[in-house]
Amino acid sequence: KNEVEQSPQNLTAQEGEFITINCSYSVGISALHWLQQHPGGGIVSLFMLSSGKKKHGRLIATINIQEKHSSLHITASHPRDSAVYICATAYNTDKLIFGTGTRLQVFP
Amino acid sequence: DTGVSQDPRHKITKRGQNVTFRCDPISEHNRLYWYRQTLGQGPEFLTYFQNEAQLEKSRLLSDRFSAERPKGSFSTLEIQRTEQGDSAMYLCASSFGLHGGATGTQYFGPGTRLTVL
Repeated sequence: KNEVEQSPQNLTAQEGEFITINCSYSVGISALHWLQQHPGGGIVSLFMLSSGKKKHGRLIATINIQEKHSSLHITASHPRDSAVYICATAYNTDKLIFGTGTRLQVFP
Repeated sequence: DTGVSQDPRHKITKRGQNVTFRCDPISEHNRLYWYRQTLGQGPEFLTYFQNEAQLEKSRLLSDRFSAERPKGSFSTLEIQRTEQGDSAMYLCASSFGLHGGATGTQYFGPGTRLTVL
């Protein structure tokens, strides 16, 4: 059974800080997703990656397949980045296995 | 295209009643997924369709739950004889994937929040 664990569970930061959220999983996967969920429930896909690194604006996602670990980085954090960030894995089938999420609050 | 839509957005029902939710995926997407999310937890997979075929169903889906996608477009999720433990956010997502291939990005709807009294 694939377990997906995220750390930290909660994170507070001052505006402008560099933020890292970590995700570990227990079995080999075909892809790893990073998602953002705002209060009220809406989920937005940020990244899907199976190797290396991807960058979009101030967001960077990396994955180390050998170590079964991924990180999401936010540079120059802003209060509008406040949300829950969720890591999810896919293994051969299409279903996603989700972590419990990291709640990020960025204060001005 | 306006993305994935779900109806209703909120549903309050009494224990024992049946409820049905609808999901309209992005029109060119052939894959459709249902997830359930309880407060403070990440979503959990319930079931998914490729076109009209239901390809996988979680053990979380008891016999009281049934999902359909009759024409390969919209999908419905029905819960019979609701219980208080069914209270959750029910999320629908869609994607495009080639036959036998891994899925692409999943696009999520706003969810249907179910409260069972």
